This record gives sequence, C-alpha cells and structure tokens, in this order.
Amino acid sequence: RKEVEQDPGPFNVPEGATVAFNCTYSNSASQSFFWYRQDCRKEPKLLMSVYSSGNEDGRFTAQLNRASQYISLLIRDSKLSDSATYLCVGGSNYQLIWGAGTKLIIKP
Amino acid sequence: EAGVAQSPRYKIIEKRQSVAFWCNPISGHATLYWYQQILGQGPKLLIQFQNNGVVDDSQLPKDRFSAERLKGVDSTLKIQPAKLEDSAVYLCASSSWEGRKLQETQYFGPGTRLLVL
Repeated sequence: RKEVEQDPGPFNVPEGATVAFNCTYSNSASQSFFWYRQDCRKEPKLLMSVYSSGNEDGRFTAQLNRASQYISLLIRDSKLSDSATYLCVGGSNYQLIWGAGTKLIIKP
Repeated sequence: EAGVAQSPRYKIIEKRQSVAFWCNPISGHATLYWYQQILGQGPKLLIQFQNNGVVDDSQLPKDRFSAERLKGVDSTLKIQPAKLEDSAVYLCASSSWEGRKLQETQYFGPGTRLLVL
C-alpha cells in the first residue's frame, strides 16, 4: 500500500463548477500536510498547507480528517487556469511523502 | 528574490554514460533536496542535505547515484553509469529554517529533464 494515495484522474470539470478530491495517508503519525500544484512540464509549487481545523484561501479549501486519514481539496468556481496536477504531501519529522497527483482539466 | 537554479535543463545520454546535475538553492536556505520524478508519478526524494551534511539518503541508489554539497550552498547530483530507467525529471528544492524550526515549504527549481537512450 502506498503511503500517500491519490486518484490520478483526470477530473474533467466545466468552468465555474466546484470540484473536490481526496488524498489518503497510511501513517497515522503524519502531522504535516500540504497541497502542491504542478503545471504540465513545470515544477511543483505550494498551493496551501493543511491545518487540523481546516483552512481556506480564496476559492480553495483544505480539510484534514485524522479519523479516516485523509485530506481533501475543494475548488469553487473553477477557472481554466486551475487545470493542473494537484499533489498531496504528508509526513512528519521533516520526512514528507508525495502522492502521485490528481490531474484536473477545466473545460470551457 | 532569486529562485532555485538548476542546470542543465535538458540532457540526453546513452545508457552506461555518466551525467551530472547542478543546483543552487535560494540564498540562505540551509536545507536542499534532490527528487526524481518519473512521468505520471509524484516526486521521490533521493537525498536531503542540511547545510553540507546528509539528513536522509535512504532512497538514493548508491551503487550509481551520488550527491554532494561541499560548501553547504550549491549541490551536484551524479549518475554513473546511467540506466534506461533513470529517465526522469530531477528536481532540486530548498527550504529555510526559522529559528530552530525547519520550514516545510519547499521551493523547487525548474528541473533537469534526463533521457537515457
């Protein structure tokens, strides 16, 4: 079993819609979680950290569910520019494990 | 502020040849990471440096891969000899410390795209 698992997608979503995807982690001791965004043929860039109480940044909301060991990312009012691969990262003690990413395609 | 620099951006070599990649992290970032990202997969940590010391190299194939960060600033990653399965993007990232706490946000360079024929 992979330590951090994501649905690879692709998620094909019309512009303006709301989309959500989850990421499960196997190590219950994991304490730090992040969502990174990676555009095609580009490097990953931090989208947002995920806090225990959940957090929001504009159209993006991240949640952590420790009981079920998953984190989620919600994107509201999706834009064409949101098309990218979203990488889930989790770990502890400065050892972070990366998921394989979920590909999101926003269609006009 | 300048970002993480990497070179070369692209490299094509034949199997059994050697190759080296260079990375210059963001100024002042004590922690440097080398990742391998194979197409369709997430980044896989190869080695993590804290200044010029190795923190984690558990996933580095030490029979063919080596890395150094002699002066605690820039770093080189070498593959010798290369295999077909080494074809990937090699990403360098860095992060900073705030007081005694490592900031877990990692800043990535543009990567080196390696093709082994």
